[in-house]
Amino acid sequence: QQQVKQSPQSLIVQKGGISIINCAYENTAFDYFPWYQQFPGKGPALLIAIRPDVSEKKEGRFTISFNKSAKQFSLHIMDSQPGDSATYFCAASLTSGTYKYIFGTGTRLKVLA
Amino acid sequence: DAGVTQSPTHLIKTRGQHVTLRCSPISGHKSVSWYQQVLGQGPQFIFQYYEKEERGRGNFPDRFSARQFPNYSSELNVNALLLGDSALYLCASSLNYQYTEAFFGQGTRLTVV
Repeated sequence: QQQVKQSPQSLIVQKGGISIINCAYENTAFDYFPWYQQFPGKGPALLIAIRPDVSEKKEGRFTISFNKSAKQFSLHIMDSQPGDSATYFCAASLTSGTYKYIFGTGTRLKVLA
Repeated sequence: DAGVTQSPTHLIKTRGQHVTLRCSPISGHKSVSWYQQVLGQGPQFIFQYYEKEERGRGNFPDRFSARQFPNYSSELNVNALLLGDSALYLCASSLNYQYTEAFFGQGTRLTVV
């Protein structure tokens, strides 16, 4: 019940295209859902995050769509650029009790020039 | 402002040895968490400390321990190293113990030989 399932494992997109990464969770108590971007040899960097009382959040080219009833959320990267090539992790957490992120398994995105 | 700083960046140890990893959180942040990231996987929660007290512990053996100092910096200690402990160890800093906007350091790459 603590798992976060992420798909696809890898993704190749043409420059200017839309990259879509999906995540599903089981624990309905999760109440904070961040996305992280990680480049090789670096730590994860917070991209954007959403709470379940909001169905969509947009920051620049990055949008989170959240479907509470389906227990799914997704990251959309509009106008994908080669510099977006990285591994993306979704995560879920509780903001009460033991505070920890449960991470998905990651999606390796490659944007072709 | 300095971000989360971790030291050392790389470390090679022999099986059975002990290792200490260090983390300095973002100035003003009082919560530090530790994660283990095995190659190709998402980070796994090890510990959270807030105000020098352990607030959460993940599913890791007692060989793993940590502490937080009065200046909010933290150490992660691992005893009796095993080959399987080889991973990127990440420190995450957040303002308080509620998991909103956790910022990760670049990690310490530990190799056990």
